[in-house]
Amino acid sequence: AQSVTQLGSHVSVSEGALVLLRCNYSSSVPPYLFWYVQYPNQGLQLLLKYTTGATLVKGINGFEAEFKKSETSFHLTKPSAHMSDAAEYFCAVRDNTGGFKTIFGAGTRLFVKA
Amino acid sequence: EAQVTQNPRYLITVTGKKLTVTCSQNMNHEYMSWYRQDPGLGLRQIYYSMNVEVTDKGDVPEGYKVSRKEKRNFPLILESPSPNQTSLYFCASSFDRGYTEAFFGQGTRLTVV
Repeated sequence: AQSVTQLGSHVSVSEGALVLLRCNYSSSVPPYLFWYVQYPNQGLQLLLKYTTGATLVKGINGFEAEFKKSETSFHLTKPSAHMSDAAEYFCAVRDNTGGFKTIFGAGTRLFVKA
Repeated sequence: EAQVTQNPRYLITVTGKKLTVTCSQNMNHEYMSWYRQDPGLGLRQIYYSMNVEVTDKGDVPEGYKVSRKEKRNFPLILESPSPNQTSLYFCASSFDRGYTEAFFGQGTRLTVV
């Protein structure tokens, strides 16, 4: 069975500091991996995804994530936080063998201090 | 404009009174899903559909039904709602299983009293 663990339900950084949001997954088959962002009272927006190929993926708003199979991780990073990055972030995993079952992590709320 | 439209956005109902939350997408997507979002639990997939008349259970299907008679619509049916189904519900659609972006609706906040 697949599962996703996001370490830290809340992360606080200063504006301009590195953002690191952690995601570890378990999957018995090669996964598709996703990061979504949710702003207050809104739906989810895809930040980036890993399907195949290059393990370092770049997304919108300066975010990137690296798929590390040996560590079963897909951590999200951004070199310099901006106030507008304050939101909730979700990591998700989907198996790539034919189904569409998708498992989300519990989410990490990012706070950005001025 | 490409979008996923859910209705209603807010709903308060009583235990046992059947309700339907509609979801419609205008992008000719084959894949659609329903999720519920609860604090501290993230999103949990209720049901998904990979094409017309093709639906399957997600992680938390108990107490819900879905149908996919047309490509654009994927309604979520609660035959006998209970208070533990109070939640924020999202519908999502995508063209494929992961290569292209998934679009989410704005959400339906359901309260069952």
